[in-house]
Amino acid sequence: QVHLVQSGGGVVQPGGSLRLSCEASVFNFSYYGIHWVRQAPGKGLEWVAFIRYDGTNKYYADSVKGRFTISRDNSKKTLYLQMNSLRDDDTAVYYCMVITRGYWGQGALVTVSS
Amino acid sequence: EIVLTQSPGTLSLSPGERATLSCRASQSVSSNYLAWYQQKPGQAPRLLLYGATNRATGIPDRFSGSGSGTDFTLTISRLEPEDSAVYYCQQYNTSPFTFGPGTKVDV
Repeated sequence: QVHLVQSGGGVVQPGGSLRLSCEASVFNFSYYGIHWVRQAPGKGLEWVAFIRYDGTNKYYADSVKGRFTISRDNSKKTLYLQMNSLRDDDTAVYYCMVITRGYWGQGALVTVSS
Repeated sequence: EIVLTQSPGTLSLSPGERATLSCRASQSVSSNYLAWYQQKPGQAPRLLLYGATNRATGIPDRFSGSGSGTDFTLTISRLEPEDSAVYYCQQYNTSPFTFGPGTKVDV
């Protein structure tokens, strides 16, 4: 049973922007805080950002602070990650996930390359 | 920032053996907000344990967690070939919600 469906990955030039989406199904989306996590090719997992269930608090990794923005629309059961000023080292597969439920999106590949 | 250190880096064991994976935090992880994940090549990670000791839905009881404060352990009691994977711990108590570097298990 698929709980989180992602969209929005792709290839972008350095300095460009991209928005990822993560749409929930089946579960009560508005009850849960949700994370973005990424994994560069051949590397480990890196936590990127978190938003509380009601959107009141947001947290970011230092590596993306000031460039990425996490947001959510509970009426649409959708999480977003707006990525600006993208750099080569942002190249990774990006996942949305709810920790305690074990829900992960399928991943979206973001490639930053000229 | 809470830094998580995992050991060993790689573990090679035979089917039926017991695996013990360690995750050590640089500061105390309050309320045991620690999770363990399994990741196989080309797949998204899968949640094994949350709250240090609580098995996620559908996870066999061969997987168990223990520990508190700064020292946590994932134990796989009877290894099966399909347990070959990389295992990560993550603390979700304090932002940034850091991951450990992972332990690769070869069965």
